[in-house]
Amino acid sequence: DAKTTQPPSMDCAEGRAANLPCNHSTISGNEYVYWYRQIHSQGPQYIIHGLKNNETNEMASLIITEDRKSSTLILPHATLRDTAVYYCIVRVKSSGGSNYKLTFGKGTLLTVNP
Amino acid sequence: DTAVSQTPKYLVTQMGNDKSIKCEQNLGHDTMYWYKQDSKKFLKIMFSYNNKELIINETVPNRFSPKSPDKAHLNLHINSLELGDSAVYFCASSHRTLDTQYFGPGTRLTVL
Repeated sequence: DAKTTQPPSMDCAEGRAANLPCNHSTISGNEYVYWYRQIHSQGPQYIIHGLKNNETNEMASLIITEDRKSSTLILPHATLRDTAVYYCIVRVKSSGGSNYKLTFGKGTLLTVNP
Repeated sequence: DTAVSQTPKYLVTQMGNDKSIKCEQNLGHDTMYWYKQDSKKFLKIMFSYNNKELIINETVPNRFSPKSPDKAHLNLHINSLELGDSAVYFCASSHRTLDTQYFGPGTRLTVL
């Protein structure tokens, strides 16, 4: 029941920018877009999140379209250690209906090549 | 310093046994979670506790019983283990229910 769609895989050359797209056409006005990644055999790691404006931190930049129906995560200078599954997430209501949960879809496997 | 820790890292057991997985966070967070990642790599939330109170229970079998003795700990007890319980279980915590979640390293459970 993920509310986002992402390409299953992408490749990127080491040192180049990696641009990971995500569609979230049903997002509502007050929902944030979150990005996490999971490096093989490790727990998911938070990257960045945003609502309307573009965001940047030490790990990545997040570009959200004006209509908020899609976003792009940018890793400006990808390294081999950035090889991971990247998840774009919009929170959904839990079964009980009063709380929100992160729903992880299949994500995008980003492979950074030397 | 480990922010969210889980024990054990690996757990191999026979069908029908009862086992527990422990989780501790030293981040001062109020909310903790249990996730299950199956062999197809789908990561799904199971439970969430806020200030020791269960707030999310995602239709998990009754054989799974979370326990939160205090805000820093959330343990998962599993009765009568089945083959389908084999998975990696991740614990996570956040400052509040809507905040960024920090995940532990995972516990790989194998039921034989």
